[in-house]
Amino acid sequence: DTGVSQDPRHKITKRGQNVTFRCDPISEHNRLYWYRQTLGQGPEFLTYFQNEAQLEKSRLLSDRFSAERPKGSFSTLEIQRTEQGDSAMYLCASSLGQGPLEQYFGPGTRLTVT
Amino acid sequence: KNQVEQSPQSLIILEGKNCTLQCNYTVSPFSNLRWYKQDTGRGPVSLTIMTFSENTKSNGRYTATLDADTKQSSLHITASQLSDSASYICVVSLSSGGSYIPTFGRGTSLIVHP
Repeated sequence: DTGVSQDPRHKITKRGQNVTFRCDPISEHNRLYWYRQTLGQGPEFLTYFQNEAQLEKSRLLSDRFSAERPKGSFSTLEIQRTEQGDSAMYLCASSLGQGPLEQYFGPGTRLTVT
Repeated sequence: KNQVEQSPQSLIILEGKNCTLQCNYTVSPFSNLRWYKQDTGRGPVSLTIMTFSENTKSNGRYTATLDADTKQSSLHITASQLSDSASYICVVSLSSGGSYIPTFGRGTSLIVHP
């Protein structure tokens, strides 16, 4: 296990379809974060988990977005009824322990909604 | 509103030259400040992390400074290399009830020419 992995790396979907992304954190990391990044912008925080508990959700996370981390290991981010504005890079990061923590990012999933 | 502003938006320098990137923030209460390097199409990679009590942190040719009184940070790159071409993102984390909500700047796009 050499780092955070995300799958798929790229996803093209038609407007209105549902998509699901997966993130596998570094194995011993208890915290997992999801971010969205559009071109020319910094990542925007979406949500984070400590183990299996979802502790924070951004206002950016509309009702069409849902994230899970059922066993405190991998996480999924689902977007229902995709819109063109959902096109972005979706980044996952993980960290270990409590307090201000070093986050390790995955390579991201680039979503294009046509 | 908690904000992180970075300047310049973009910067072009010659290989071997030094440069300094700026980050101003209004995030409060402040927990920690991090600088990340993000290559095109990849996830961010951490360069430095500083808490409010730290003034400077180095990582090889990268040196970050923090003035918590003026809410300013800088990232100094010494003897730039072609591989330094990337986006450099400043991230400030809010401390709120045990959670650490990060606010990302838009990044400074650095291009190093031979």
